[in-house]
Amino acid sequence: KNEVEQSPQNLTAQEGEFITINCSYSVGISALHWLQQHPGGGIVSLFMLSSGKKKHGRLIATINIQEKHSSLHITASHPRDSAVYICAVRSNAGGTSYGKLTFGQGTILTVHP
Amino acid sequence: GAGVSQSPSNKVTEKGKDVELRCDPISGHTALYWYRQSLGQGLEFLIYFQGNSAPDKSGLPSDRFSAERTGGSVSTLTIQRTQQEDSAVYLCASSFFFKEQFFGPGTRLTVL
Repeated sequence: KNEVEQSPQNLTAQEGEFITINCSYSVGISALHWLQQHPGGGIVSLFMLSSGKKKHGRLIATINIQEKHSSLHITASHPRDSAVYICAVRSNAGGTSYGKLTFGQGTILTVHP
Repeated sequence: GAGVSQSPSNKVTEKGKDVELRCDPISGHTALYWYRQSLGQGLEFLIYFQGNSAPDKSGLPSDRFSAERTGGSVSTLTIQRTQQEDSAVYLCASSFFFKEQFFGPGTRLTVL
């Protein structure tokens, strides 16, 4: 079992729909990242969070440390949101491994007009 | 300001040759990371540097891979005796300590 699991692996939506992508992890963490990668494009950091909830525009990220679970929500989805969304966790283990990120497999989101 | 830059953007090499990939992090960032993304695969951690601390090399797939960071800034990832399975996009990222990571555009390596 991977340390970081995302669901769903693929998600298709119609423009305007509310979207949720889930991330579950099995290790103790100090932070969780949500990243976005457009087809053929670079990777952009959307959020880094260690507790609670963050919001940026139409994007909302939440994390429940006790349940080892995070969600990324997109409100009023748009075709330009079509991308791969990647969850990554930073372990809270000490030593030189502290900065290492472990990645989920990504969720491919396609939003149709 | 300038983001993370990587060079070359594309590299085609023959099996058995050595390659060097370069990363210029954002000025002032203390941490630098190397990742690999193989075709159809997820992101894979390779190595990270934080200030003057010993790097975490736990993700390097074999002893053919090495990396150094000179003067706390520019980093070079070296792959010796390249194999076809080394073909991937190699991504560099930097951050101020353990804050948000900023990614470079990547170097696409093709080993023939």
